[in-house]
Amino acid sequence: DIVMTQSPDSLAVSLGERATINCRSSQSVLSGSNNRNHLAWYQQKPGQPPKVLIYWASTRESGVPDRFSGSGSGTDFTLTISSLQAEDVAVYYCQQYYSTPTFGQGTKLEIK
Amino acid sequence: EVQLVESGGGLVQPGGSLRLSCAASGFTFSSYWMSWVRQAPGKGLEWVANIKQDGSEKYYVDSVKGRFTISRDNAANSLYLQMNSLRAEDTAVYYCARVSSSSVYRNFAYWGQGTLVTVSS
Repeated sequence: DIVMTQSPDSLAVSLGERATINCRSSQSVLSGSNNRNHLAWYQQKPGQPPKVLIYWASTRESGVPDRFSGSGSGTDFTLTISSLQAEDVAVYYCQQYYSTPTFGQGTKLEIK
Repeated sequence: EVQLVESGGGLVQPGGSLRLSCAASGFTFSSYWMSWVRQAPGKGLEWVANIKQDGSEKYYVDSVKGRFTISRDNAANSLYLQMNSLRAEDTAVYYCARVSSSSVYRNFAYWGQGTLVTVSS
């Protein structure tokens, strides 16, 4: 199985500042057949199911604010929130779908 | 509008059984791989099992192999998870999830609200 490791485990950022969450996979999730990274980012707020923010490592889901962006390729990926808003407080997960799905352990994002 | 509604959770003793259901609507159920994903209290997300459109392929996380069985009824637009020999570590919210397109190797685009399974004596 592909192991997904996120850093940091928790993060406190001031309103309006940038938040950066990293995700590393134990093997490449770049598919040779479609030249795409099989990597998604989810946001989960308390008492709610996860919500997809980014897929194919950098494609923003419809309706997701453009302050959210994803980057990276192969084994190293980043989720960036360019200007933190109060409603962004949540736990963020990366997930690979190159093989049987696995998730990172989650990063808890709070307001400083 | 895509809707996934789980049911069947509850309190069960260790070694017991439970059957979860997921009622799907708002899309052509028979066109998508479907999954169960769980989340233990205060913990992260763990994919449990998935099933191909026609039920001919099923995959499980190692920790539930031989104990859990995923199935589907396309005529009833329903997904199921039969859970046997339950252990305390199976305690979690169980989510039904649909991938974004007909391929298995896609992100989870839709999630239900989840159903809580508690394994305790």
